[in-house]
Amino acid sequence: AQTVTQSQPEMSVQEAETVTLSCTYDTSESDYYLFWYKQPPSRQMILVIRQEAYKQQNATENRFSVNFQKAAKSFSLKISDSQLGDAAMYFCAFMDSNYQLIWGAGTKLIIKP
Amino acid sequence: SAVISQKPSRDICQRGTSLTIQCQVDSQVTMMFWYRQQPGQSLTLIATANQGSEATYESGFVIDKFPISRPNLTFSTLTVSNMSPEDSSIYLCSVSRGGVGNEQFFGPGTRLTVL
Repeated sequence: AQTVTQSQPEMSVQEAETVTLSCTYDTSESDYYLFWYKQPPSRQMILVIRQEAYKQQNATENRFSVNFQKAAKSFSLKISDSQLGDAAMYFCAFMDSNYQLIWGAGTKLIIKP
Repeated sequence: SAVISQKPSRDICQRGTSLTIQCQVDSQVTMMFWYRQQPGQSLTLIATANQGSEATYESGFVIDKFPISRPNLTFSTLTVSNMSPEDSSIYLCSVSRGGVGNEQFFGPGTRLTVL
């Protein structure tokens, strides 16, 4: 069975600095998708970034980028130039062949002004 | 993208009663999911609801406790039956257009408190 592990329950970063959130996963599949979702205190979950496993190039979305290490089964999220609006719970998720998402426990990101 | 609304946004219910949560999407979608989330914790999938077929429940969740309807491609309901305080949680609806790698879009959630 697939599992997703986020080992950092909470992270804090100074505004304008860079922070990296860790995620590891376990699967025997070769083709799959990985996601980072953000859940601000208002509760609505939104997609931050998506990575296709067969693509070696790391996905980027403006200030958000991933470091995808397929062999190591690692999928970390880097947030550059952190802003107060980035404060949220961040969830790493793996999509299995049934299109269901396997979720990590989440990392609470605190932005210090 | 997809815009999803949920009703009610929150409710306080008495033990032993039932509550039906509605999920409405602004466009037709293939797959709808129902999750439960304790504040500050991860999501737990309750069931997958596909139009025209019975919902598929995850381990630990049964139809008698969480009946689901999916009458069309834009609407679904989740009922929490015979509630107990342990059912207090946030219930989230999400949708996907299906297909490998397609993201799930989430509703704002329903915060349920059972007294």
